[in-house]
Amino acid sequence: AQSVTQLGSHVSVSEGALVLLRCNYSSSVPPYLFWYVQYPNQGLQLLLKYTSAATLVKGINGFEAEFKKSETSFHLTKPSAHMSDAAEYFCAVSVGDYKLSFGAGTTVTVRA
Amino acid sequence: DAMVIQNPRYQVTQFGKPVTLSCSQTLNHNVMYWYQQKSSQAPKLLFHYYDKDFNNEADTPDNFQSRRPNTSFCFLDIRSPGLGDAAMYLCATSRDWDRDFNEQFFGPGTRLTVL
Repeated sequence: AQSVTQLGSHVSVSEGALVLLRCNYSSSVPPYLFWYVQYPNQGLQLLLKYTSAATLVKGINGFEAEFKKSETSFHLTKPSAHMSDAAEYFCAVSVGDYKLSFGAGTTVTVRA
Repeated sequence: DAMVIQNPRYQVTQFGKPVTLSCSQTLNHNVMYWYQQKSSQAPKLLFHYYDKDFNNEADTPDNFQSRRPNTSFCFLDIRSPGLGDAAMYLCATSRDWDRDFNEQFFGPGTRLTVL
């Protein structure tokens, strides 16, 4: 069965510092992987997705993620955190044809 | 802009009083999903429609029902809300089922409070 594990339920970074959110996946088939962001009282917005093309995926708002098959990882990074990056981030893997399996989420706070 | 719209954004109901949440989409997508998201948790899929075909998740309580009268609209009915049903309810759509087209687009959610 496909699943994802997000390491760290809370991450606190200084404004301007690197943001690194960790996601490891388990999949019996080549995975399709996603990162979503959720701002307070909002729905989920797709940041980026990996669908077996380039292993380094660039998304919106300066985020990128690298698919590493050998490490079964899909970590999300942003070189320089902005106050507006404070939100909850979910990693997800496509399960079969329609279902997404979400990780538990990582809350990011940004310190001024 | 094409989008997924949910109304109302905030809904308050009383214990046991039926409530309906609505979702509409202008993306003309085939698949519509309803998720329940409790505080600090990941979204949990309740059910989805492929066109008019309804698919229930095995652990979705019978208290939750859904209707999709046409491509654009989908409703979530909670027949007898309990305190444990207080949550954010998210509607999402995807173009199709195939993995290459199943990117999900989410609405802003409806936050349900049960008194």
